[in-house]
Amino acid sequence: NAGVTQTPKFQVLKTGQSMTLQCAQDMNHEYMSWYRQDPGMGLRLIHYSVGAGITDQGEVPNGYNVSRSTTEDFPLRLLSAAPSQTSVYFCASSPRDLNTEAFFGQGTRLTVV
Amino acid sequence: LAKTTQPISMDSYEGQEVNITCSHNNIATNDYITWYQQFPSQGPRFIIQGYKTKVTNEVASLFIPADRKSSTLSLPRVSLSDTAVYYCLLSNNAGNMLTFGGGTRLMVKP
Repeated sequence: NAGVTQTPKFQVLKTGQSMTLQCAQDMNHEYMSWYRQDPGMGLRLIHYSVGAGITDQGEVPNGYNVSRSTTEDFPLRLLSAAPSQTSVYFCASSPRDLNTEAFFGQGTRLTVV
Repeated sequence: LAKTTQPISMDSYEGQEVNITCSHNNIATNDYITWYQQFPSQGPRFIIQGYKTKVTNEVASLFIPADRKSSTLSLPRVSLSDTAVYYCLLSNNAGNMLTFGGGTRLMVKP
């Protein structure tokens, strides 16, 4: 099983550029979410989705957009990258019941210069 | 979701039992307590989850007192490979995602 797959693993952007971080899961999980992790800190929720066609904002949504057209995919878009968005991004998925295990991808390390 | 508080760091030696306590004074009735482990450059990995009393699996035990205002993750006989950051979280079915605090950085020494 592939689990949660994130691409790319590393990315360098210039300020103002746009890009999409990809996240795919093959476990038929309804819940998917995006987190960012800054050095020495815990993960902070950016956006999440409780099912196809449904998304909502987390703790730090500004500068990011998401969509959930299928159960499997949950891309994160940076419309105009800023140095403050330099971070490691993690995607996670979990079954409908949150009181179960969440599965995380390996992360995307993004640097904005 | 209520906030959790954990020690910033802990040191231990190989073969010892490690107990990491998490405080969650404002835990709600429908909150579960979940612990995740994170190695450098990797995503967090689920360790254990519980609601009350004691839960044990192949890697850890979770002790939750009757008032549920705290919980303790117990790692038996740690090895160097247990060096990681451990996060205590509260989760429920209200549609909210996981809320991570700063975690506890465990260093296991030879």
